[in-house]
Amino acid sequence: AQSVTQPDIHITVSEGASLELRCNYSYGATPYLFWYVQSPGQGLQLLLKYFSGDTLVQGIKGFEAEFKRSQSSFNLRKPSVHWSDAAEYFCAVGAWDNAGNMLTFGGGTRLMVKP
Amino acid sequence: EAGVAQSPRYKIIEKRQSVAFWCNPISGHATLYWYQQILGQGPKLLIQFQNNGVVDDSQLPKDRFSAERLKGVDSTLKIQPAKLEDSAVYLCASSLVVREQFFGPGTRLTVL
Repeated sequence: AQSVTQPDIHITVSEGASLELRCNYSYGATPYLFWYVQSPGQGLQLLLKYFSGDTLVQGIKGFEAEFKRSQSSFNLRKPSVHWSDAAEYFCAVGAWDNAGNMLTFGGGTRLMVKP
Repeated sequence: EAGVAQSPRYKIIEKRQSVAFWCNPISGHATLYWYQQILGQGPKLLIQFQNNGVVDDSQLPKDRFSAERLKGVDSTLKIQPAKLEDSAVYLCASSLVVREQFFGPGTRLTVL
């Protein structure tokens, strides 16, 4: 069974500073990886996804993530954080087999942005 | 294109009462999912439908939870009777292609 670990429960950065959110996964086959963002009272919005090919993936809102198979990681980065980026971020791994199309989420990282 | 719609947005009930949530997926999306998100945790899949058939309900507490998707479009998730530990946000998602799910705003349930 697949699993996802987000080691940092809370992260605080200053506006304009760079950001890296960590994600480690466990999955026996080639993973399909996702980052979602959730603002208070809102559903999940897809930031970016990795299926295959280039291991550096560009997403919306200036985010990018890098898939490193050797480290089983898919860390999310942004070079300059804006106050509006304050939210909760979820990493997820997807599995597609006879049982269907299943996403397993990490526990999330809450990002706070200092002015 | 309209997104995934859910109602109600908020619900407060007492334990042992029953409650139902409704989801309308994005038009044309054959696959529909219900997730439970407990405060401070990531979403957990409860049930997945492909059209009006159940693909995976292995994590659905079937003694109290039930879900249906009549006519392969809208879906209803019911809890009867509710327990305190059912307090959570219930998220509905839908997908057209296998690999991308679109989420609704969720229903926040509080059980007192």
